[in-house]
Amino acid sequence: ETGVTQTPRHLVMGMTNKKSLKCEQHLGHNAMYWYKQSAKKPLELMFVYSLEERVENNSVPSRFSPECPNSSHLFLHLHTLQPEDSALYLCASSQEGGLSSYEQYFGPGTRLTVT
Amino acid sequence: QKEVEQDPGPLSVPEGAIVSLNCTYSNSAFQYFMWYRQYSRKGPELLMYTYSSGNKEDGRFTAQVDKSSKYISLFIRDSQPSDSATYLCAMRVNTGNQFYFGTGTSLTVIP
Repeated sequence: ETGVTQTPRHLVMGMTNKKSLKCEQHLGHNAMYWYKQSAKKPLELMFVYSLEERVENNSVPSRFSPECPNSSHLFLHLHTLQPEDSALYLCASSQEGGLSSYEQYFGPGTRLTVT
Repeated sequence: QKEVEQDPGPLSVPEGAIVSLNCTYSNSAFQYFMWYRQYSRKGPELLMYTYSSGNKEDGRFTAQVDKSSKYISLFIRDSQPSDSATYLCAMRVNTGNQFYFGTGTSLTVIP
């Protein structure tokens, strides 16, 4: 295991539901990321929390809302999603500012299906 | 133009073959070049990284970076069925948090 856990591993939700994805890292890192992985497309960076600052991809719809209460936990709140939001959502962490800042450690992902 | 281009495959080779996986990129400021391996139903795991140009070898794996051509490669020697996975290239500049990924190449090694 990589030291990054994600729950749930699978989620099916309707377009009117509200749900949250959870990520926890046990590596002592200071940066956490949400990515969206769709078939035949590159990983899409959605949000970064680094040293308590948030950086976001401006193309991510407002129906995705991140929350990072501390350096070890990251949430992605979902509401009124669309079928095209069905994808694998990956959480990652890294240690920014150090010699190994190129290393990102990924969780196993949450497979989201929007019906 | 995409930041990073990678042929999605799929690529199928017999066991023992040499595999060559490649990515091209457009941003000359990229300095870190990574290869990730992703097994089915798992997240990507870092396989190798290279800083700036040059080659790096780790067991059966060799990573090459040619910055003049904006081209990176991963070679797998004596490929094994356990190498069957999707391989993603990734890169970033010296500072900042943004990693740029390729689409991934699906590889199957047939026993």
